[in-house]
Amino acid sequence: DAGVIQSPRHEVTEMGQEVTLRCKPISGHDYLFWYRQTMMRGLELLIYFNNNVPIDDSGMPEDRFSAKMPNASFSTLKIQPSEPRDSAVYFCASSFGYGYTFGSGTRLTVV
Amino acid sequence: EDQVTQSPEALRLQEGESSSLNCSYTVSGLRGLFWYRQDPGKGPEFLFTLYSAGEEKEKERLKATLTKKESFLHITAPKPEDSATYLCAVAGSGSRLTFGEGTQLTVNP
Repeated sequence: DAGVIQSPRHEVTEMGQEVTLRCKPISGHDYLFWYRQTMMRGLELLIYFNNNVPIDDSGMPEDRFSAKMPNASFSTLKIQPSEPRDSAVYFCASSFGYGYTFGSGTRLTVV
Repeated sequence: EDQVTQSPEALRLQEGESSSLNCSYTVSGLRGLFWYRQDPGKGPEFLFTLYSAGEEKEKERLKATLTKKESFLHITAPKPEDSATYLCAVAGSGSRLTFGEGTQLTVNP
């Protein structure tokens, strides 16, 4: 298995632009999580899905953030419009039970 | 609300100098405590799961222990390749993990 695959690895965008981050979870995993990591706040859970259904999005900071999981093998996290304070590393993780497997992350820089 | 506090924030050791990292937690109904290792530019990598007080797990130079209020990650005779950030997380009610802010370990040769 190739593990959790995230794309792009790096994204630099201008303030106000739309950003879409992508994630392919491990086949057979029924949970998918989106985390954001910064030096100041560590790992923060943004949203998670169970069997493609959003369960808890209380960590999504603002309405500018949205996430979808149209099928078991794909999820997106969208930021529209992006702001400099959104700069962070965004991780996707999937699990079957509590054994999370993380992707390599997307480093987002908003200038 | 589940809470995890890790200490110290950063730790520098000489190669071969054993030490311990601490993870204190508060959670309603612990379903598991997890240790992860994170290298720069990578996602966290799973190390151990502990489920009940008194449980211990070992992997190479690492040993994780659990009490009702905290967990320790003991590092015996560390090597430079053990340098990383070590993250602790707890699972309470629901399916989400709550992470601590990590301990950044540096092992000098």
